[in-house]
Amino acid sequence: GENVEQHPSTLSVQEGDSAVIKCTYSDSASNYFPWYKQELGKGPQLIIDIRSNVGEKKDQRIAVTLNKTAKHFSLHITETQPEDSAVYFCAASMGQFYFGTGTSLTVIP
Amino acid sequence: NAGVTQTPKFQVLKTGQSMTLQCAQDMNHNSMYWYRQDPGMGLRLIYYSASEGTTDKGEVPNGYNVSRLNKREFSLRLESAAPSQTSVYFCASDSTQGNTEAFFGQGTRLTVV
Repeated sequence: GENVEQHPSTLSVQEGDSAVIKCTYSDSASNYFPWYKQELGKGPQLIIDIRSNVGEKKDQRIAVTLNKTAKHFSLHITETQPEDSAVYFCAASMGQFYFGTGTSLTVIP
Repeated sequence: NAGVTQTPKFQVLKTGQSMTLQCAQDMNHNSMYWYRQDPGMGLRLIYYSASEGTTDKGEVPNGYNVSRLNKREFSLRLESAAPSQTSVYFCASDSTQGNTEAFFGQGTRLTVV
């Protein structure tokens, strides 16, 4: 099956700085790559996704890049705010989601 | 608009007891999933149902059973709970089996003592 690795496991940034989370996947058949944000005590919620026919996608302060050749994709959050503090999960899918192990992001005011 | 609703939110079981986690979605989704979340291990798929009337094993199915009662409801049963099943359980649903946004419930925190 697919294997998704996510780094770093924890990340602290100053408010206003950028945060980058990286994931790699193993199966070239994966074609859908969502990112989820999980706040304390809640279920994960989709924040952005990208498909294998697209290299980059942006939504306000959040962007995702995908390198199919290298089998890696990254989440970029610019101008971080305290409310961005949460656990972020990447996933790769070819009809079934395989999740990374999560990154706990802390934005320090 | 409730989305995905899970019950209960918290549960403590003794080793060997059984229980059923309930999940219902109101988005007319075809596919439903049960995940468990453990520290440092992300979300691991227990069972899924691609459509009403079908269920399949995921990555960690041992010790669990599921029932897709109808299009809305997908339950997870622990027949004889073990401490290793202490975890947070999430139900999720999507419209096209892993090709679109999955919506998650609020989770069930289960402790087996």
